[in-house]
Amino acid sequence: QKEVEQDPGPLSVPEGAIVSLNCTYSNSAFQYFMWYRQYSRKGPELLMYTYSSGNKEDGRFTAQVDKSSKYISLFIRDSQPSDSATYLCAMRSSGSARQLTFGSGTQLTVLP
Amino acid sequence: SQTIHQWPATLVQPVGSPLSLECTVEGTSNPNLYWYRQAAGRGLQLLFYSVGIGQISSEVPQNLSASRPQDRQFILSSKKLLLSDSGFYLCALTPQPRSTDTQYFGPGTRLTVL
Repeated sequence: QKEVEQDPGPLSVPEGAIVSLNCTYSNSAFQYFMWYRQYSRKGPELLMYTYSSGNKEDGRFTAQVDKSSKYISLFIRDSQPSDSATYLCAMRSSGSARQLTFGSGTQLTVLP
Repeated sequence: SQTIHQWPATLVQPVGSPLSLECTVEGTSNPNLYWYRQAAGRGLQLLFYSVGIGQISSEVPQNLSASRPQDRQFILSSKKLLLSDSGFYLCALTPQPRSTDTQYFGPGTRLTVL
């Protein structure tokens, strides 16, 4: 079993839809959670970072963490064609090297 | 803010040839540096990380090696490339202060081994 599971999609939604992207994890030592957006042939770009259970909002993006269920989500409101990308979740436990464990990514397409 | 440069952007190499990929960073000192590989349609695989000059930790045993000759320079090398070395190579950093914890990625190098 992988430490981090993420549905690879692909996921297609119409413009303006609410998108829900999810990851589950098995390692209860994970304390810090991130979402990255990766456009085709580009490096991943950090979108959201959180370390506590609950919701964190940034514009159209909301990151949700449920440590008791080992489940994290990223919600995108009013989705736009420019949101079309692969979304990677990442997480880590406390440690000196700050290594991250990544999900395999979900490919999202927002149709105009 | 920090900036990561990777060179070259694209590379096509024959099997058995050597490899040298370079990563240089600006805007931060003494960062943690990382090399990842991303195969087509797959997640990120951590290859090496470095917490300082000359300090390299390997995550996956293979024919690749890494070096950090300067604080802001990280190099990925191979003496003889394999077909399985094809992929998208990403350099990343955790800036000072490391309490920020997050990793920031460079633009990547796309390597095709024929």
